[in-house]
Amino acid sequence: SQTIHQWPATLVQPVGSPLSLECTVEGTSNPNLYWYRQAAGRGLQLLFYSVGIGQISSEVPQNLSASRPQDRQFILSSKKLLLSDSGFYLCAWSVLWSAGGYEQFFGPGTRLTVL
Amino acid sequence: AQSVTQLDSQVPVFEEAPVELRCNYSSSVSVYLFWYVQYPNQGLQLLLKYLSGSTLVESINGFEAEFNKSQTSFHLRKPSVHISDTAEYFCAVKRRGGSEKLVFGKGTKLTVNP
Repeated sequence: SQTIHQWPATLVQPVGSPLSLECTVEGTSNPNLYWYRQAAGRGLQLLFYSVGIGQISSEVPQNLSASRPQDRQFILSSKKLLLSDSGFYLCAWSVLWSAGGYEQFFGPGTRLTVL
Repeated sequence: AQSVTQLDSQVPVFEEAPVELRCNYSSSVSVYLFWYVQYPNQGLQLLLKYLSGSTLVESINGFEAEFNKSQTSFHLRKPSVHISDTAEYFCAVKRRGGSEKLVFGKGTKLTVNP
């Protein structure tokens, strides 16, 4: 069965510090991978998605970046955090079944607080 | 492009009352439709989905949603809610074919009170 892991679960960082959040998927190959952010009262915002190793698409301009060094590893980074980067970060992967159908699966999330 | 509107940001109900969470979508092409549930400080879990076939889909915990193509809606209903149903619910749409990205609504926070 497939599982998705995110760490850390919670993180408190000062403004201006760097960030690295990691996501790994098990039990599937060549998944599409996604990073979302939830800020209070603002729903779910897609930040990045990746269709393969080294292939990253950015959905919104910001001071965050993403990388996919391995097939099932997706990393969200920042060189200098802003207060507005606080939020709940979710990693997800999706599958398009050959017989028809689609599903997207979410990780447990990382709560980031920037002070 | 697709878009999703969840008309109610918060829905408070009493335990054992019925509930309907509304979702309307906009798309010029055929779509798949989804409802996800998020409990506090957790990721999203798929509640139910419409891909094709019967327009009424059901979840294992008593929720159901009906795809209405003419009204471009996919409302979520439950005849009798429990305290444990308190969570945030997200409606999402994906176009058939093309990108695998989902488009989400802004969510509806359901609070079930005793």
